[in-house]
Amino acid sequence: EDKVVQSPLSLVVHEGDTVTLNCSYEVTNFRSLLWYKQEKKAPTFLFMLTSSGIEKKSGRLSSILDKKELFSILNITATQTGDSAIYLCAGNTDKLIFGTGTRLQVFP
Amino acid sequence: AAGVIQSPRHLIKEKRETATLKCYPIPRHDTVYWYQQGPGQDPQFLISFYEKMQSDKGSIPDRFSAQQFSDYHSELNMSSLELGDSALYFCASSWGTGSGANVLTFGAGSRLTVL
Repeated sequence: EDKVVQSPLSLVVHEGDTVTLNCSYEVTNFRSLLWYKQEKKAPTFLFMLTSSGIEKKSGRLSSILDKKELFSILNITATQTGDSAIYLCAGNTDKLIFGTGTRLQVFP
Repeated sequence: AAGVIQSPRHLIKEKRETATLKCYPIPRHDTVYWYQQGPGQDPQFLISFYEKMQSDKGSIPDRFSAQQFSDYHSELNMSSLELGDSALYFCASSWGTGSGANVLTFGAGSRLTVL
């Protein structure tokens, strides 16, 4: 059975902290690994990872995929209150298999 | 457990034709989102509905329209189809949008091929 597991489920930090969100996956016909940020509306796409070891970076966010160990991490440096959201990871086969998400709360 | 149901799974149309995709959310979910993912492309948010009203709009072409019905299912109507509309269209549902972010559950997607 396909599954995607994210940890931690919830994370509370202060502004300026660095956080690492984890995602492990077991999906058949794996094509890519996607990260989303979801606030009070539709999720915002962050990254799509297809190759191992190649870091994708966007501002303070970065992500990397390990296809041998079947996991991905999402790093956020110098967190801000606007980073508070649920971060979703999904394995892409012919559909998206999502994890339960990590709820990040950043306090001033 | 019931999931998000999309139909059809696959659809082949010719240019300038019209297509309709349907999405049945998880029971008691009141919010539906539509996404488009082209071959090798990042998923693009199209539109969302909350309690049968449009709640957010993304990069949906004017040729496309969508609505959410009283039973909360949603339909995406696409007219004057173009080759570039070939993509995987998936919808997701969640419970509520006003009270905070809730995790989306996505359907398996509808693959549209325009010839």
